[in-house]
Amino acid sequence: GENVEQHPSTLSVQEGDSAVIKCTYSDSASNYFPWYKQELGKRPQLIIDIRSNVGEKKDQRIAVTLNKTAKHFSLHITETQPEDSAVYFCAARSGYSTLTFGKGTMLLVSP
Amino acid sequence: ETGVTQTPRHLVMGMTNKKSLKCEQHLGHNAMYWYKQSAKKPLELMFVYNFKEQTENNSVPSRFSPECPNSSHLFLHLHTLQPEDSALYLCASSQKDSGQSSYNSPLHFGNGTRLTVT
Repeated sequence: GENVEQHPSTLSVQEGDSAVIKCTYSDSASNYFPWYKQELGKRPQLIIDIRSNVGEKKDQRIAVTLNKTAKHFSLHITETQPEDSAVYFCAARSGYSTLTFGKGTMLLVSP
Repeated sequence: ETGVTQTPRHLVMGMTNKKSLKCEQHLGHNAMYWYKQSAKKPLELMFVYNFKEQTENNSVPSRFSPECPNSSHLFLHLHTLQPEDSALYLCASSQKDSGQSSYNSPLHFGNGTRLTVT
């Protein structure tokens, strides 16, 4: 089955800096890669996703890149703000299968 | 306002109790899921229901018993739990295309039930 590794487990940045979270996956058939944000005490919410037919997708300060050859994808957050502090989960899925999640990255943005 | 609602938000139960978690989705989706979220672990898929039929059971102990009476409601019945079962239990839903496209919409999660087993 699919295996998703996520790094780092914690990431501390200063407000205004950029943050990068990286994930690798094992199943070359995986074709859908979402990222979820979970604030303390709240539910995970989808913030951005990418499918295997594109290499990069951006939404304001958030971008995701995908390298199918290397089987890794990354989340990039620019101009970080304190409200970006949360746990971020990457995930991967092939076709009709269910999502496999990474272990999560706790992002702390200091004012 | 979330399209997936879970009750109760918090539950404390003894190891000999029987309780049930409830999930309801208002999104018109046809697939529902139970996930377990423990500290420092990835989200663990427990059960999947597609069109009310259970399609996945990820080696979950029999003390967890799911029930899906229709595509909008999902229950997780609990009995004789262990302290290590204490966790956040998340329900989610999605829309799966039954055709050839194998389309599966993003997961929408509920706020979860924080379960403590004493």
